[in-house]
Amino acid sequence: GENVGLHLPTLSVQEGDNSIINCAYSNSASDYFIWYKQESGKGPQFIIDIRSNMDKRQGQRVTVLLNKTVKHLSLQIAATQPGDSAVYFCAENRENYGGSQGNLIFGKGTKLSVKP
Amino acid sequence: DAGVIQSPRHEVTEMGQEVTLRCKPISGHDYLFWYRQTMMRGLELLIYFNNNVPIDDSGMPEDRFSAKMPNASFSTLKIQPSEPRDSAVYFCASSSTGTGDGNTIYFGEGSWLTVV
Repeated sequence: GENVGLHLPTLSVQEGDNSIINCAYSNSASDYFIWYKQESGKGPQFIIDIRSNMDKRQGQRVTVLLNKTVKHLSLQIAATQPGDSAVYFCAENRENYGGSQGNLIFGKGTKLSVKP
Repeated sequence: DAGVIQSPRHEVTEMGQEVTLRCKPISGHDYLFWYRQTMMRGLELLIYFNNNVPIDDSGMPEDRFSAKMPNASFSTLKIQPSEPRDSAVYFCASSSTGTGDGNTIYFGEGSWLTVV
């Protein structure tokens, strides 16, 4: 069949509302997870991370939740601002995956659009 | 502090030409990563170095791609000969202890390559 381009899931929110971006990971052996933000024309920027021995971690306006039972990760952004508009990636670390350490596996990303 | 510095930021080249992308990691970081980002495949790890030594190059697509790190402050990613399907954004990133130890990796702004 014909290949199609990758269409990013999009979340559109009103300025001031809370945003929740979800991510499913595949490997139950992954023990470290990171959320990155990528603005147009820029490289991914670290937002927050969490280890598998935790189920919640809070930063400034952001909270990451980890549900290891269903292999699900979420990023909550409080009081979303126009500057939060970007693509958000989750990444998992699979220690010694394929014999390699330090290999972050990135999800496909979610585009967050904030309406003023 | 200066972040990860990449050059060139944009390059347009003809099929068959050699392309060299350059990276200066953050001073003191002992891990360096090369990623490629496309709409079809998202962010993919190509190769990473630890203390200037290539650790895992399993993500390098084919022999046309090569990467070197002659010293702690410089790395190159070379494509020879280039093909249109190599068109992508190439990111260099660095970290101080890899990605499994709670330390994030920092990305450069990317090199936007178009092969025509």
